[in-house]
Amino acid sequence: NAGVMQNPRHLVRRRGQEARLRCSPMKGHSHVYWYRQLPEEGLKFMVYLQKENIIDESGMPKERFSAEFPKEGPSILRIQQVVRGDSAAYFCASSQQGQPNSPLHFGNGTRLTVT
Amino acid sequence: AQKITQTQPGMFVQEKEAVTLDCTYDTSDPSYGLFWYKQPSSGEMIFLIYQGSYDQQNATEGRYSLNFQKARKSANLVISASQLGDSAMYFCAMREAPSGGSYIPTFGRGTSLIVHP
Repeated sequence: NAGVMQNPRHLVRRRGQEARLRCSPMKGHSHVYWYRQLPEEGLKFMVYLQKENIIDESGMPKERFSAEFPKEGPSILRIQQVVRGDSAAYFCASSQQGQPNSPLHFGNGTRLTVT
Repeated sequence: AQKITQTQPGMFVQEKEAVTLDCTYDTSDPSYGLFWYKQPSSGEMIFLIYQGSYDQQNATEGRYSLNFQKARKSANLVISASQLGDSAMYFCAMREAPSGGSYIPTFGRGTSLIVHP
């Protein structure tokens, strides 16, 4: 499967635990984006990364959230000390370039539920 | 201010008929890209069609076409010959780079399309 791979598909965490969401971009794509989607809403941008670099994290909450895209391996979105308000679908997308004509290709998302 | 506005929260169409989903956008960047995505009930986001700000012709992809009116800043999606499988949420998105920053895609709130048999 050459598409964007996200895992796990569903993740349940208790309040205060850590959540780790993984994303492997499409082959040949070096630009990775993370979005959050709440029920009945559109996608909200969180962070944009290229290999080993955070390019734009203007949508990331200042605390508890972090993201990385190491030289080897998938991109990781990490949420520490989760709260109920973190429950959402988290989508990863990748593109071949960062230019306006380069579409994003999405993974199937990770549905995070905080109990 | 909203960068992408989709004014139709829900739309209904009869199978085999055409339907137009509205999208207006706001940008001062001369170089931008417009995209439409489909999100069926299974949850994945499927890329449908792209229109560049400098493109002279409207984009088409099979049964999808984009009615691009640059002066009115609108990029409506037209689905011809609707099928039951077209029932889904549809999101309009824009990539722009204000102030020379990164081209971060921004999404509208979506339109729910239901196709009736």
